[in-house]
Amino acid sequence: AQSVTQLDSQVPVFEEAPVELRCNYSSSVSVYLFWYVQYPNQGLQLLLKYLSGSTLVESINGFEAEFNKSQTSFHLRKPSVHISDTAEYFCAVSDPKTGGFKTIFGAGTRLFVKA
Amino acid sequence: DVKVTQSSRYLVKRTGEKVFLECVQDMDHENMFWYRQDPGLGLRLIYFSYDVKMKEKGDIPEGYSVSREKKERFSLILESASTNQTSMYLCASSLAQGAKETQYFGPGTRLLVL
Repeated sequence: AQSVTQLDSQVPVFEEAPVELRCNYSSSVSVYLFWYVQYPNQGLQLLLKYLSGSTLVESINGFEAEFNKSQTSFHLRKPSVHISDTAEYFCAVSDPKTGGFKTIFGAGTRLFVKA
Repeated sequence: DVKVTQSSRYLVKRTGEKVFLECVQDMDHENMFWYRQDPGLGLRLIYFSYDVKMKEKGDIPEGYSVSREKKERFSLILESASTNQTSMYLCASSLAQGAKETQYFGPGTRLLVL
């Protein structure tokens, strides 16, 4: 069965520093990959997703993630974080064979940006 | 914008009570989902529905049931609440086109069972 591992449960970082949130998934077959963000007291919302094509995908607020098939990774990065990026981030994988009904989410990484 | 609303943000119930959690989406999405979110465990799928009156078990359906009588509404029912069902419950919806579709989430209901 597919699984998703987020290697860090919490990541504290100073404002304007770079950050990387790590995500590995278990299957080497074709999958779709997502990063969702959950701000305090809100539901999850999509940050970015990889479906096919260029292995580097970007969000509108400066995050990017790179799909690495050989390492089955989809790490999320931002070169300079803001206080407002403080949130919990979830990596997720969806197998085309399940029709999208069994998206598997990682345990989440809490990003805490300090002034 | 897609809007997914959940009937309550916070609920406190007693052991043995029957609990209803309601979810409504306004974008005519075919798929709807119920997850529970627990610290360190991420989101776990309880049930999903791909059409009116259709439902499928997710990974942790025990102790829960669901109802989808209208396309926009998906209800989660705890037949007899227990303390181990204290959790955050998230509803989501998506288009029917499959695995590449984004899921849109409600704000969540934090349930405390005493």
